[in-house]
Amino acid sequence: DVKVTQSSRYLVKRTGEKVFLECVQDMDHENMFWYRQDPGLGLRLIYFSYDVKMKEKGDIPEGYSVSREKKERFSLILESASTNQTSMYLCASSPGTGEAFFGQGTRLTVV
Amino acid sequence: EDKVVQSPLSLVVHEGDTVTLNCSYEVTNFRSLLWYKQEKKAPTFLFMLTSSGIEKKSGRLSSILDKKELFSILNITATQTGDSAVYLCAWEPSGTYKYIFGTGTRLKVLA
Repeated sequence: DVKVTQSSRYLVKRTGEKVFLECVQDMDHENMFWYRQDPGLGLRLIYFSYDVKMKEKGDIPEGYSVSREKKERFSLILESASTNQTSMYLCASSPGTGEAFFGQGTRLTVV
Repeated sequence: EDKVVQSPLSLVVHEGDTVTLNCSYEVTNFRSLLWYKQEKKAPTFLFMLTSSGIEKKSGRLSSILDKKELFSILNITATQTGDSAVYLCAWEPSGTYKYIFGTGTRLKVLA
């Protein structure tokens, strides 16, 4: 079974903190994604990566950066957390085309 | 801008009812359409459709794609309380690795 693991299920951080969300997949997938999910807005793509050290901006990259130093790991970084970044963050991976596999999500609250 | 619209936004039915969920899109070229079920956290994969007019079935769930009219439907027959979830559709545009998600349809099945 494909496994996508996100490091934290719940996080509470203070405004202005630098926040790291980690995601690891165990199926040697080329592509990895970070989405945020908010009520009424669905899943919105923040960043995705199609290879090690390669990244592309999604629809809402402002305030975020990413890192992919190893194929299995894709990190989302909030440079200076703000309250409007309170959300559910979902990581996903895919082999290239077709089904994407999701992690369990990280619910981040910024206070 | 590519856009995916799902309808209805929410739906309440009784056990045994049949429901039809809609997904329409404004994407010029795409590789596939995917349906996911999200109960609490991670979306889980249901179907992937690439060809127009071919129905995919899995138990009480079925889905079909109309490439000409630019929509897909997900049917659930003889609904059960365990079908209560948010149903998401996503498009995989040609020439890119990303997925564009709709806002989802929240289905509640009452006993």
